[in-house]
Amino acid sequence: ETGVTQTPRHLVMGMTNKKSLKCEQHLGHNAMYWYKQSAKKPLELMFVYNFKEQTENNSVPSRFSPECPNSSHLFLHLHTLQPEDSALYLCASSPRLAGGPNEQFFGPGTRLTVL
Amino acid sequence: DQQVKQNSPSLSVQEGRISILNCDYTNSMFDYFLWYKKYPAEGPTFLISISSIKDKNEDGRFTVFLNKSAKHLSLHIVPSQPGDSAVYFCAAKGSNFGNEKLTFGTGTRLTIIP
Repeated sequence: ETGVTQTPRHLVMGMTNKKSLKCEQHLGHNAMYWYKQSAKKPLELMFVYNFKEQTENNSVPSRFSPECPNSSHLFLHLHTLQPEDSALYLCASSPRLAGGPNEQFFGPGTRLTVL
Repeated sequence: DQQVKQNSPSLSVQEGRISILNCDYTNSMFDYFLWYKKYPAEGPTFLISISSIKDKNEDGRFTVFLNKSAKHLSLHIVPSQPGDSAVYFCAAKGSNFGNEKLTFGTGTRLTIIP
């Protein structure tokens, strides 16, 4: 595997379910990100991790719970979601948080549908 | 309040001609600007960036122009090729260490007509 991978690619869940999204990067990067893209809206940053430590939570509801066990893996645990949480969830990574343009590398995303 | 705006949701250009994608921003604290390209069922891929101390950056067929006084940037693709058909996102960020938030526009869908 190369680059940034995400599983599953598609997920349908009920509002009472608990599920997790997984992201893995094979680039040797130290910073990882979760983004949300809703229809006709810009990509919205949710969380940032740098060297496994969370450095940003962009006012995300607690029904989204991130976990970063190491610099290569990032999870997003989902519970009691709402239909409006249906969106494309994108994971990204970058070498580190170091200022500059900080080019980020994105995974293909998980298309989440909440019924 | 959208700080990065791409006012054209779509653009069609003849193959071989120049494609010009535009982006406007409101936050004068942005110091870096990036363009990403996205194919269906794939994540965005980085194309080119520019620092606010420059007004032009070129990489092959792609050139980004920055007009800081107008808070406007544009991406030029010349010559346009069918493989350039995709959604293009403009993004911006500040230069403070730790402030790595990329603020994205809503994207412009570029279609290259053979």
